Amino acid sequence: EDQVTQSPEALRLQEGESSSLNCSYTVSGLRGLFWYRQDPGKGPEFLFTLYSAGEEKEKERLKATLTKKESFLHITAPKPEDSATYLCAVQAVRDSSNTGKLIFGQGTTLQVKP
Amino acid sequence: DGGITQSPKYLFRKEGQNVTLSCEQNLNHDAMYWYRQDPGQGLRLIYYSQIVNDFQKGDIAEGYSVSREKKESFPLTVTSAQKNPTAFYLCASSIALGDYGYTFGSGTRLTVV
Repeated sequence: EDQVTQSPEALRLQEGESSSLNCSYTVSGLRGLFWYRQDPGKGPEFLFTLYSAGEEKEKERLKATLTKKESFLHITAPKPEDSATYLCAVQAVRDSSNTGKLIFGQGTTLQVKP
Repeated sequence: DGGITQSPKYLFRKEGQNVTLSCEQNLNHDAMYWYRQDPGQGLRLIYYSQIVNDFQKGDIAEGYSVSREKKESFPLTVTSAQKNPTAFYLCASSIALGDYGYTFGSGTRLTVV
């Protein structure tokens, strides 16, 4: 069964204290891995898509990496405005048994204190 | 600007009532989706639609119904058969079913009173 697990569930950082969020996945064949940011009471906002092991993508203080079993979202020198819930999702290669739907992890809630 | 509009933002349902959540997109996307989000759980797929007049059940479709009469619109009805409807509901769209990019709406929070 396709599955996504994120850790930790919650993370508190001081401003400027770098850290990483983990997304472990099990999927029959990976078509893509996605990172989203979600602010309280709002819909998820797209951050990155990763397609193959070894791939990396960066946006401001965020960097996403991918291996065959997991993805990391590295946050360098975070600021209070980076506080949000970060969601990871995978999309399996589409075949007769699936729709290519996204399978989401439960999210990591990040709080950055000034 | 193109995007997805969900309404209302907050909705209250009495026991035994059916309620309908609206989702409209002007992105010209063919595929649309409804997800449910509960605290501590990942988003779970309720229904999805690949094209107009076609839709399929997702993982947790029981107690829900949808229609897709127009490309732009994909309303979700939460029926009285849904025993635990209190949740945050998210609508999303993509260019095509299985396409990489999902755009999400801002969500509707449904509470049973």
